[in-house]
Amino acid sequence: DSGVTQTPKHLITATGQRVTLRCSPRSGDLSVYWYQQSLDQGLQFLIQYYNGEERAKGNILERFSAQQFPDLHSELNLSSLELGDSALYFCASSPSSSITDTQYFGPGTRLTVL
Amino acid sequence: GQQVMQIPQYQHVQEGEDFTTYCNSSTTLSNIQWYKQRPGGHPVFLIQLVKSGEVKKQKRLTFQFGEAKKNSSLHITATQTTDVGTYFCVTVGANDYKLSFGAGTTVTVRA
Repeated sequence: DSGVTQTPKHLITATGQRVTLRCSPRSGDLSVYWYQQSLDQGLQFLIQYYNGEERAKGNILERFSAQQFPDLHSELNLSSLELGDSALYFCASSPSSSITDTQYFGPGTRLTVL
Repeated sequence: GQQVMQIPQYQHVQEGEDFTTYCNSSTTLSNIQWYKQRPGGHPVFLIQLVKSGEVKKQKRLTFQFGEAKKNSSLHITATQTTDVGTYFCVTVGANDYKLSFGAGTTVTVRA
């Protein structure tokens, strides 16, 4: 158990809809990272937040947004969902803002868009 | 920009045999990390390499960082069924300080 929690575990929704994924980092960790893992593309870095502020951006679509709250939990919002958004979404946390820190991954949220 | 290639994509190994997976970057790296993801699981940190030519061992796993800090390898000896999973490298570019992920090597083991 990494200490990172993600909810929900599974999510099934329809195209065009909007969903919110939630992540709570390990106690004491200030950075949260979001990743998308689909079968054909491996692990794709989406975005990093550190202590409430956006720190680094990866391949995040404009339809996706994230935020980190004062209690350090983070939410990833996915809107206008398409079939291709079906994937496993992981969040990870690390102690500092440095991207060289070890990252601790949560169990993931499996999103299915029908 | 930095590109990370990981080979092979798939590795089918007879139990007891050795294998190696490689991570190659087009640019110089600041550091490299290796993670393992079991089927149905989440990525778990294995090791971080920072110094040129660095070699680290964890039981049957040997990790190496190239002298030029552009490539790395993970060698597993006497493969066991517990080694099944996907091993991927995570790199940070020395110049652009960007995070990049290898596509992973998925390992299956024949008993």
